Amino acid sequence: DGGITQSPKYLFRKEGQNVTLSCEQNLNHDAMYWYRQDPGQGLRLIYYSQIVNDFQKGDIAEGYSVSREKKESFPLTVTSAQKNPTAFYLCATTSGANVLTFGAGSRLTVL
Amino acid sequence: AQRVTQPEKLLSVFKGAPVELKCNYSYSGSPELFWYVQYSRQRLQLLLRHISRESIKGFTADLNKGETSFHLKKPFAQEEDSAMYYCALNGGGYQKVTFGTGTKLQVIP
Repeated sequence: DGGITQSPKYLFRKEGQNVTLSCEQNLNHDAMYWYRQDPGQGLRLIYYSQIVNDFQKGDIAEGYSVSREKKESFPLTVTSAQKNPTAFYLCATTSGANVLTFGAGSRLTVL
Repeated sequence: AQRVTQPEKLLSVFKGAPVELKCNYSYSGSPELFWYVQYSRQRLQLLLRHISRESIKGFTADLNKGETSFHLKKPFAQEEDSAMYYCALNGGGYQKVTFGTGTKLQVIP
């Protein structure tokens, strides 16, 4: 089970708290992505990063923040500004072949 | 803007029946289209991509630029095909990848 490691697998948060989801990869891929998966809505792009120290907003970036200080790591912070954070979060990477490789996901629940 | 539409949330077919999962897209350039699959309790993974023009697990998909479609087909459904299927579009390079809302395929024994 290598490639992309997401942690924690399950996370509970109280309203008003920021939480950070970890995504680490050992595939040496340049590009990394964060998606949110909700039933009936598919996968929606939150942020993506093509290279270290650079990232772009996706379709639903409000209430989220990211950093890309290392090629291997692309953490996602869900801030208190995110109005409906309960969801399944997926991290992915892609090589030059444009094929996405996904992590196992992190399920965030707001209490 | 790029957009992917999967009109069916759920598709139920009997084992041995043909399967067609629909996918339509909108994109101004030449997109790269993919089908990803998520089996129960497994990671989302690539099923096939239009550039490869190959058959994976009996599934094929042809890019129809005139109809802007990339439907996924299989002549005879198997129970192990039951899963969530997502159509995805990449505009090229390390661009954002846009997914459809997904279709759950249920193969009835």
